[in-house]
Amino acid sequence: EAGVTQFPSHSVIEKGQTVTLRCDPISGHDNLYWYRRVMGKEIKFLLHFVKESKQDESGMPNNRFLAERTGGTYSTLKVQPAELEDSGVYFCASSQVRVTEAFFGQGTRLTVV
Amino acid sequence: AQSVTQPDIHITVSEGASLELRCNYSYGATPYLFWYVQSPGQGLQLLLKYFSGDTLVQGIKGFEAEFKRSQSSFNLRKPSVHWSDAAEYFCAVGPFSGGYNKLIFGAGTRLAVHP
Repeated sequence: EAGVTQFPSHSVIEKGQTVTLRCDPISGHDNLYWYRRVMGKEIKFLLHFVKESKQDESGMPNNRFLAERTGGTYSTLKVQPAELEDSGVYFCASSQVRVTEAFFGQGTRLTVV
Repeated sequence: AQSVTQPDIHITVSEGASLELRCNYSYGATPYLFWYVQSPGQGLQLLLKYFSGDTLVQGIKGFEAEFKRSQSSFNLRKPSVHWSDAAEYFCAVGPFSGGYNKLIFGAGTRLAVHP
């Protein structure tokens, strides 16, 4: 069974550009989470989907970030326009029920120059 | 507010030596505690987790962790480190009451292993 898959693995963009990160959860997992690690700091929660609904988006840093999960399958996280401080590693995770059983993807390393 | 502190940013040990990575948490109720590892080029992998019961938890790859409520700690240990254990280790706590189905992570400890 495939795990959580994230695309791309690396992305380098210029400040002001738009980037879209994608996460494919494990099949059958209704819960999908986005986390981010910036500048070697702690991994921080961004948001949580249950199917296609945003259950908790308290960690989204500002309105330049837009997350979607159309159809309750894969999810995208768009950053528009990207700023230098958005650089970091973005992790996606999925679980059937609780986050205590979540599986994480390999992350997308975003570099904004 | 809930938080996780990993006091050591970097640790270097010799192969075959014992290892202890520290983790302290701040949480009002009985916590669920986790240790994750991120090896180079890999995603976050769960090493072990504590929910209740025996305070000494065994995990994968020969790791164990001990929950000490009085010290608000959940330190990770391994009796003999292998070169392949070089990675970054994250302690986490969660989820939380009120339907907040999320984890709070520490800043990580990067482990280097000398041959």
